[in-house]
Amino acid sequence: GENVEQHPSTLSVQEGDSAVIKCTYSDSASNYFPWYKQELGKRPQLIIDIRSNVGEKKDQRIAVTLNKTAKHFSLHITETQPEDSAVYFCAALEQGAQKLVFGQGTRLTINP
Amino acid sequence: GAVVSQHPSRVICKSGTSVKIECRSLDFQATTMFWYRQFPKKSLMLMATSNEGSKATYEQGVEKDKFLINHASLTLSTLTVTSAHPEDSSFYICSARDARETQYFGPGTRLLVL
Repeated sequence: GENVEQHPSTLSVQEGDSAVIKCTYSDSASNYFPWYKQELGKRPQLIIDIRSNVGEKKDQRIAVTLNKTAKHFSLHITETQPEDSAVYFCAALEQGAQKLVFGQGTRLTINP
Repeated sequence: GAVVSQHPSRVICKSGTSVKIECRSLDFQATTMFWYRQFPKKSLMLMATSNEGSKATYEQGVEKDKFLINHASLTLSTLTVTSAHPEDSSFYICSARDARETQYFGPGTRLLVL
């Protein structure tokens, strides 16, 4: 089955700087990769997703890149703000079982 | 985005009792819903996949007789924790998948078993 590794587990950046979180996946058949943001005690919220027919997708300060050959995808947050502080999870859709396999999460802290 | 509700948000129960958690997709139909368990500072652990009109698919190690799942309609799935024990205390989150395979999460239910 699919296996997703996420790094780093914690990330601290200065407000205004960029943050990058990386994930690798094992199943080359996976074709859908969402990113979720979870604030303490709240639900995971979808912030951006990418399908394997594109290499990059951008939504304002958030972008995701996908390298199918290397089987890794990354989340990029530019001009970070304190409200970006949260735990971020990447995921890959396991084709056979049609279920999302999540990474371990990254706790992002934006320092004012 | 789509909205998924979950009820109750918090529940405290005595050991040995059963607790039912409801998950509803409010503005879309979901043939597939998912139930997760999340421990503090950990990732989402998939418990089972709930399929409308058919039996749920449980992940390895999850007791289907203890965690009963019913998906009776395209907008409602329920998880019943039977004979709850303190070790079942956790944050339970459901999600619903729309026609584009996008998953939207409910707000979660915090269960405390005394």
